[in-house]
Amino acid sequence: NAGVTQTPKFQVLKTGQSMTLQCAQDMNHEYMSWYRQDPGMGLRLIHYSVGAGITDQGEVPNGYNVSRSTTEDFPLRLLSAAPSQTSVYFCASSTGTGGTDTQYFGPGTRLTVL
Amino acid sequence: AQKVTQAQTEISVVEKEDVTLDCVYETRDTTYYLFWYKQPPSGELVFLIRRNSFDEQNEISGRYSWNFQKSTSSFNFTITASQVVDSAVYFCALSEPFTGTASKLTFGTGTRLQVTL
Repeated sequence: NAGVTQTPKFQVLKTGQSMTLQCAQDMNHEYMSWYRQDPGMGLRLIHYSVGAGITDQGEVPNGYNVSRSTTEDFPLRLLSAAPSQTSVYFCASSTGTGGTDTQYFGPGTRLTVL
Repeated sequence: AQKVTQAQTEISVVEKEDVTLDCVYETRDTTYYLFWYKQPPSGELVFLIRRNSFDEQNEISGRYSWNFQKSTSSFNFTITASQVVDSAVYFCALSEPFTGTASKLTFGTGTRLQVTL
């Protein structure tokens, strides 16, 4: 089991560019989510999904899109990158959808927007 | 709204000292889950423990122990005989179970622990 994988590990974008952060898990987890980590602010939820075809917004969704066409993959799209989106992004997954199960995190993607 | 407070931003200790990381939470639910994660300098998030609100027994795992007190809404983490490898940022998090919409983890801002020789 690879667990939760994220690509790329590092990315530099210019303002206005678009890109997709990839996240995949091989544990057959129903629940997947994206967080961003900023200094002094802990981790904040961007979007989450309780299963294929179902997504919803978290605490800080603006500027990000997601889709969940398969159980394994949950990509995060930045349509027009802004400097405020400079952050470390973590994808996570868990077996259940009700918040009772432990979420396991990927290694993170460090994104810089110039 | 749920909230997690880790008032200690940074703690520095000398190896072999004991250290306690504080976590205070706010929730309106009677059923909830608390977590601790470790983020070493390499950056990944490592799960340490999960505790549900009905289980107030303290937990010990090697040099790590956790003290859960519902009366004070606290879930503190103690490292006994700290080691340099314990240097990391530690996050406390709160989750409320499914109530019609999927729940989320609410994280504290983290406590950076520096253990020196």
